[in-house]
Amino acid sequence: SQKIEQNSEALNIQEGKTATLTCNYTNYSPAYLQWYRQDPGRGPVFLLLIRENEKEKRKERLKVTFDTTLKQSLFHITASQPADSATYLCALASGSARQLTFGSGTQLTVLP
Amino acid sequence: SAVISQKPSRDICQRGTSLTIQCQVDSQVTMMFWYRQQPGQSLTLIATANQGSEATYESGFVIDKFPISRPNLTFSTLTVSNMSPEDSSIYLCSAGTAQGTEAFFGQGTRLTVV
Repeated sequence: SQKIEQNSEALNIQEGKTATLTCNYTNYSPAYLQWYRQDPGRGPVFLLLIRENEKEKRKERLKVTFDTTLKQSLFHITASQPADSATYLCALASGSARQLTFGSGTQLTVLP
Repeated sequence: SAVISQKPSRDICQRGTSLTIQCQVDSQVTMMFWYRQQPGQSLTLIATANQGSEATYESGFVIDKFPISRPNLTFSTLTVSNMSPEDSSIYLCSAGTAQGTEAFFGQGTRLTVV
């Protein structure tokens, strides 16, 4: 069955450092992979999308890589700030469908 | 982009009753979905809300328990029927456009069944 795993339930890092979150998947051939941020009591908010034929995407302090051979995506936040503290979810979609399959999420805490 | 309003934002319900959650999008969208997020867990897709026809349900979810309506492109409802404590969860409405691939989410409805 399809499975998406995010590296850890919780990750604590010091302000200014780079946070790296991992998303691994099995039994899936996604057309694209997305990363979302979710704050407590709120719905997820879209951050970045990377397609199966792309290796890397950047947006300000965010960087996503996608390795379809390893079936893995890495999500980096550089120069992290306490305001980056949230749960980060990876999500996969296949073809033209907009239905997303979500990973379990990683709760990131950036310590001042 | 799309802004999604969901109501109620939270409710406490007696077991055996039903609750209808409303989802309003501020622009016409192609796709609308309903997800469930149990405490501390990720989102699970319940169904795709199809305009003017029956929703498409994922494995483990049935129409009798989660009837869904979508009378037009900007509005959908999800009803949680004959509730039990196991239905306590956050229910999220999501929408997407034909042009974009990102999903937009409402703030969710936190349901507690007692």
